[in-house]
Amino acid sequence: ETGVTQTPRHLVMGMTNKKSLKCEQHLGHNAMYWYKQSAKKPLELMFVYSLEERVENNSVPSRFSPECPNSSHLFLHLHTLQPEDSALYLCASSRFPRVGGELFFGEGSRLTVL
Amino acid sequence: GQQVMQIPQYQHVQEGEDFTTYCNSSTTLSNIQWYKQRPGGHPVFLIQLVKSGEVKKQKRLTFQFGEAKKNSSLHITATQTTDVGTYFCAGFMNYGGATNKLIFGTGTLLAVQP
Repeated sequence: ETGVTQTPRHLVMGMTNKKSLKCEQHLGHNAMYWYKQSAKKPLELMFVYSLEERVENNSVPSRFSPECPNSSHLFLHLHTLQPEDSALYLCASSRFPRVGGELFFGEGSRLTVL
Repeated sequence: GQQVMQIPQYQHVQEGEDFTTYCNSSTTLSNIQWYKQRPGGHPVFLIQLVKSGEVKKQKRLTFQFGEAKKNSSLHITATQTTDVGTYFCAGFMNYGGATNKLIFGTGTLLAVQP
């Protein structure tokens, strides 16, 4: 139990579907992150929210749309994805984003795009 | 862009042998973190190094941060099967304010044969 909960754990979707990934942190942290983990690639930072404000958008295609309604919840809305978007999507939170505090990761959402 | 490289990509050892993974950054880091990801799991924070030349130990694990704060290493003494997983370094690059970035290395997958 990491204090960061992600749902669903597994998702299969077609290229025309719309789905959302959800993340919730119970740690009272100020920042939340979305990372993408593909086979044989380093963890790729997608989005960072600090105090509910998006502070980083790492050149992510518009078919990925993040939402952070409050400091405990983070969503990743998915639409018209491509097969190469299949990956493990990891949510993380941290207390001190500006000074490089440790990240607490959720267990991830394994996404398969057919 | 900023890169954090790790070598080797993969290491297979016999139980009881030592193991070392090296991390190199193209730019100076404010701090460096190490994470472990078990097969099928999510990254879990191990340690953070901040000072130039810093050395920290956690039981059989020894972490070093280079004098120039551009490289780091993780050494495991007398590996055990529980050490299996991928070890990631993550360098924190401080640009001031909200644009500070934690860049993950490419990871080293450790396999331990009993």
